[in-house]
Amino acid sequence: GAVVSQHPSRVICKSGTSVKIECRSLDFQATTMFWYRQFPKQSLMLMATSNEGSKATYEQGVEKDKFLINHASLTLSTLTVTSAHPEDSSFYICSARDSRSSYNSPLHFGNGTRLTVT
Amino acid sequence: AQSVTQLDSHVSVSEGTPVLLRCNYSSSYSPSLFWYVQHPNKGLQLLLKYTSAATLVKGINGFEAEFKKSETSFHLTKPSAHMSDAAEYFCVVEDTGRRALTFGSGTRLQVQP
Repeated sequence: GAVVSQHPSRVICKSGTSVKIECRSLDFQATTMFWYRQFPKQSLMLMATSNEGSKATYEQGVEKDKFLINHASLTLSTLTVTSAHPEDSSFYICSARDSRSSYNSPLHFGNGTRLTVT
Repeated sequence: AQSVTQLDSHVSVSEGTPVLLRCNYSSSYSPSLFWYVQHPNKGLQLLLKYTSAATLVKGINGFEAEFKKSETSFHLTKPSAHMSDAAEYFCVVEDTGRRALTFGSGTRLQVQP
């Protein structure tokens, strides 16, 4: 079945540094990918919609300069947390749907990235 | 706007007994609804989905859910709980325009031996 690979699975960084998270669709093409954030013991909140070849669409309240999204190819989207601070510590999950599949095809999720900012 | 409400933040059952996880949705038109499961520090796995076909949807691992339009509900059930079912369960509705998902607050299922 379709697989979404997310890397790294865990990352610890110092406050003020930037961290890049990659999301790859391994056996399908995805013109659109979604980035979610999950705080401990809470639900997933959509951060932004990543669009191949164009600008990402951010949800209200999400800082686009803080969370840079690049979707340079049909199989790769990256999320860069710039100048990370402890409050950015969270679980980040990406998802993607096969662009060539039927309308009702499900989203496939990566295994998430646990970011800890010290 | 579409939304889902999971009525229980935590459910505890004994192994071998039935499971019921409740979900109500709000949508101005016929929604696409999903149940996902998340094990600790893991990504999400699709259990089942409803997309306006049969109202009783069968998923993986013995789970099923029934779409009831009159009650705006999409409750998840399983006849007999297994220890491996212990996880976080999310009821999800799809925004048919953007095709992004809106997650419920989650229900933590605990299975006692």
